[in-house]
Amino acid sequence: DGGITQSPKYLFRKEGQNVTLSCEQNLNHDAMYWYRQDPGQGLRLIYYSQIVNDFQKGDIAEGYSVSREKKESFPLTVTSAQKNPTAFYLCASSNLAGEDIQYFGAGTRLSVL
Amino acid sequence: QKEVEQDPGPLSVPEGAIVSLNCTYSNSAFQYFMWYRQYSRKGPELLMYTYSSGNKEDGRFTAQVDKSSKYISLFIRDSQPSDSATYLCAMSGNRGSTLGRLYFGRGTQLTVWP
Repeated sequence: DGGITQSPKYLFRKEGQNVTLSCEQNLNHDAMYWYRQDPGQGLRLIYYSQIVNDFQKGDIAEGYSVSREKKESFPLTVTSAQKNPTAFYLCASSNLAGEDIQYFGAGTRLSVL
Repeated sequence: QKEVEQDPGPLSVPEGAIVSLNCTYSNSAFQYFMWYRQYSRKGPELLMYTYSSGNKEDGRFTAQVDKSSKYISLFIRDSQPSDSATYLCAMSGNRGSTLGRLYFGRGTQLTVWP
């Protein structure tokens, strides 16, 4: 069953804690993306990666970090520097050689304890 | 000014109504236009994909792009309660320059009541 898997579905963070959100895709897509969604604000791009071992900052990268060690995996770490982390986080991937359409995972909802 | 403007609604219509959703944009380099549907607490799913200007129809859904006015629309005919969701418009420019980045509207929340 091909697709994008995000885990966990729900995540809670304590003050001063770093947490990592997982994103795995088996679509053989080149590019992967992380978005943050807040109520009424649409999707805002955090980081994206076109190729293994390379990634670029999006519009709201501060307080976040990523890695792209494998083509199928693009984990996002929400660091303690991110003072307002409560949001719905969405991972997407696309095939840059094809139609370049982004497909999304089911999302991770992060809350602060 | 945001790159993509979309009225967030909410929009509430009776079953069977024709729904019109719209977005405007400022970047004339945008060439690829998409509509995503997002159910509550789920990831967005691609609904319609259009390149450049013109219309595209898929069942009850029609996407229109008017590049001269920098305006895109999604029409839903014979709307159903199952169409109740948030609809996000998205667009991108030449793949070489934007590196696959999509620019999203804020989304319009639609409720279709029986």
